[in-house]
Amino acid sequence: RKEVEQDPGPFNVPEGATVAFNCTYSNSASQSFFWYRQDCRKEPKLLMSVYSSGNEDGRFTAQLNRASQYISLLIRDSKLSDSATYLCVVNSAERDSGYALNFGKGTSLLVTP
Amino acid sequence: DGGITQSPKYLFRKEGQNVTLSCEQNLNHDAMYWYRQDPGQGLRLIYYSQIVNDFQKGDIAEGYSVSREKKESFPLTVTSAQKNPTAFYLCASSRGLYDTQYFGPGTRLTVL
Repeated sequence: RKEVEQDPGPFNVPEGATVAFNCTYSNSASQSFFWYRQDCRKEPKLLMSVYSSGNEDGRFTAQLNRASQYISLLIRDSKLSDSATYLCVVNSAERDSGYALNFGKGTSLLVTP
Repeated sequence: DGGITQSPKYLFRKEGQNVTLSCEQNLNHDAMYWYRQDPGQGLRLIYYSQIVNDFQKGDIAEGYSVSREKKESFPLTVTSAQKNPTAFYLCASSRGLYDTQYFGPGTRLTVL
């Protein structure tokens, strides 16, 4: 049973391109959503939380579609330094019923000169 | 500087030995977690602790043990019962159980 699914990629894009990743989740009761970035052999770092109304942080835009149960991340004007693996993370926990934070396996992005 | 530290960064162990991985945080977070990551795989939860002196098994707790005697510390012991311990181990913490998690730099364990 895969709680969170992502296209593993790799996505190879030239500098300056716009790239989008999608992630689907299975639990309709999921409450909070995140994108993390993980560089090779390093720990995941929070990129952004995903809000119902969608949110933007510089070149990064995250959107949530609860009806279709998917989350997206859009990166505009890609930089070489954006090359990393992007993890979709879904918190399906309900208070007092236990913990359920599910990580996708990640989507690999390689930005080339 | 606030953050999460893990030590050591690299650890080598002979088969049949227990080994303890350290995780310390000075963020005043109540919740702490241990994950394991294998190549090409997502993170899998080993144990988590919502508060001092309390911890719960995650999805893959067999062969591991933890303690939470202090708010700042959540050490993980990889026992000889863990059949395939070679992996990248990540510790995380969050203000509360449902809040954003922040990760330490990880420990790479190799069993020889």
